[in-house]
Amino acid sequence: DGGITQSPKYLFRKEGQNVTLSCEQNLNHDAMYWYRQDPGQGLRLIYYSQIVNDFQKGDIAEGYSVSREKKESFPLTVTSAQKNPTAFYLCASSTRTGSTGELFFGEGSRLTVL
Amino acid sequence: AQSVTQPDIHITVSEGASLELRCNYSYGATPYLFWYVQSPGQGLQLLLKYFSGDTLVQGIKGFEAEFKRSQSSFNLRKPSVHWSDAAEYFCAVGTNTGNQFYFGTGTSLTVIP
Repeated sequence: DGGITQSPKYLFRKEGQNVTLSCEQNLNHDAMYWYRQDPGQGLRLIYYSQIVNDFQKGDIAEGYSVSREKKESFPLTVTSAQKNPTAFYLCASSTRTGSTGELFFGEGSRLTVL
Repeated sequence: AQSVTQPDIHITVSEGASLELRCNYSYGATPYLFWYVQSPGQGLQLLLKYFSGDTLVQGIKGFEAEFKRSQSSFNLRKPSVHWSDAAEYFCAVGTNTGNQFYFGTGTSLTVIP
């Protein structure tokens, strides 16, 4: 079945460590997004990519990095520079570039810093 | 700047009762409007969307929403709530001039038997 796969579902990290969250889609979508979700704050955009080998910062990109070497893959690295990384991370892709198409979401990855 | 407001943080309704979740947006031109639902620990699923045309749109699971330009609103409704509707609901706005979607902070729905 087509969809978005995020892994791992749960991840624990010690302070000072970088971690990478995987996001793979087989929907043939050009646009992909990473959101962070904290209780009571809705979804905040970290990075987005409209096409392979190109990506833009969202509202809260500091302490995060991404790559888009393949259309299907958009991994997110949470670096040690991110001051408060404990959160629920959601990857999404869209039927259209820009912001006029439906978003398809993965099931999320919950990161906890110990 | 674009923004989305969901005034109700949490709503409790009885099973079988009607439901209305409010959403107001701020955007100068015609927006692209979406409602998503999220079950605990899961991703978001699209309930319905409005791009143009008929201002009353039908979605999945018996939900509908009405776009009111004069009120900058896109409220979500359901005539009779089921216990399985308990979840978090997010309103979102897209534009045809940008690359970002703007989400509200969500409304948590509790359904009482």
